[in-house]
Amino acid sequence: GAVVSQHPSWVICKSGTSVKIECRSLDFQATTMFWYRQFPKQSLMLMATSNEGSKATYEQGVEKDKFLINHASLTLSTLTVTSAHPEDSSFYICSARETGTDTQYFGPGTRLTVL
Amino acid sequence: AQKITQTQPGMFVQEKEAVTLDCTYDTSDPSYGLFWYKQPSSGEMIFLIYQGSYDQQNATEGRYSLNFQKARKSANLVISASQLGDSAMYFCAIITGGYQKVTFGTGTKLQVIP
Repeated sequence: GAVVSQHPSWVICKSGTSVKIECRSLDFQATTMFWYRQFPKQSLMLMATSNEGSKATYEQGVEKDKFLINHASLTLSTLTVTSAHPEDSSFYICSARETGTDTQYFGPGTRLTVL
Repeated sequence: AQKITQTQPGMFVQEKEAVTLDCTYDTSDPSYGLFWYKQPSSGEMIFLIYQGSYDQQNATEGRYSLNFQKARKSANLVISASQLGDSAMYFCAIITGGYQKVTFGTGTKLQVIP
């Protein structure tokens, strides 16, 4: 089956620093990848849609200058949380849609804690 | 805009019995897809089943089946012969807009009792 990896799986950082999270589709190509955020006991909230080779589309209320997304290849998208603050602490999950299909496959998630 | 509603925050089911998790949706897009995902306590999202809006037959994947009633805009998940490992959060989701945007429901926490 389609596998999506995320790295790191868990990160703690100091307030004011930047953190980069990688999302990779391991055995398929993904023209489109999605980034979600999930607070404890809540549903996933779409942050942005990332298309290979073009700018990401951000959902309303998501600061594009704070959450930088780069989708440089058909198998890799990165999310950089810039100048992280404690309120950015959350579970970040990416998903990848295999080119030509409808199904999204999710990564295992990255738990970010900002001190 | 599209919307997914899961009205059951939590459900209990006896092991080996069947359980239905409810999901209703709303969209003005004539073409859409419906998903169910499982999220164990470890956090990863596991794809279970998919139903396209034009699919004539209800989707089935092993013990999972999707009871798709288009006129009622419902897409309930049926899990047959529940197992202890089925205990998890279950999310219903809809994909619309040329299959670009996915919206999730609030989830149902299922607990299987031995």
